[in-house]
Amino acid sequence: EDQVTQSPEALRLQEGESSSLNCSYTVSGLRGLFWYRQDPGKGPEFLFTLYSAGEEKEKERLKATLTKKESFLHITAPKPEDSATYLCAVQADQTGANNLFFGTGTRLTVIP
Amino acid sequence: NAGVTQTPKFQVLKTGQSMTLQCAQDMNHNSMYWYRQDPGMGLRLIYYSASEGTTDKGEVPNGYNVSRLNKREFSLRLESAAPSQTSVYFCASSEPPPLHFGNGTRLTVT
Repeated sequence: EDQVTQSPEALRLQEGESSSLNCSYTVSGLRGLFWYRQDPGKGPEFLFTLYSAGEEKEKERLKATLTKKESFLHITAPKPEDSATYLCAVQADQTGANNLFFGTGTRLTVIP
Repeated sequence: NAGVTQTPKFQVLKTGQSMTLQCAQDMNHNSMYWYRQDPGMGLRLIYYSASEGTTDKGEVPNGYNVSRLNKREFSLRLESAAPSQTSVYFCASSEPPPLHFGNGTRLTVT
């Protein structure tokens, strides 16, 4: 069964304390993996797309990496404004819009 | 660019009432989607439209109908609202993924 699991569910960090969020997946062929940021009361905001194992993408304090079974979102020296829920989505290699699977997210809180 | 715009932002309905959620995108995308987001669950696909004039069911279509009015607009209709439809509804568009989302409609059915 195709599925996406994110861990931890919630994470509290001190400002400047680096950490990683995990997204593990089981799909029958990976077409792409997407990271989103969601602020309270807002829609998910696209961050990164990763297509193949070994690929890395960076944006400011965020770095996303991909292996054959999981992806990590590394947050370096986080600031309070990085507080949000981070969602992972996986597009399986099959036709139709039902090929996109979302995780339940990691709620990140960065304390000043 | 507004991106994906959803109206209304908030809505309270009584059981049995009907309503239509509106969505419009200005990115000239062919594909549009309706998702619902519930606590502890990932985004779940209700309906999608791969192109103007086509619609298909997603994972949780029961109790909903959709209309792809033109390339820009994709509406979601609840004919007879039920408490189980209390949720946050997101419209999205893509050409192809990643999806670009609106800011949602928060619907409460009492």
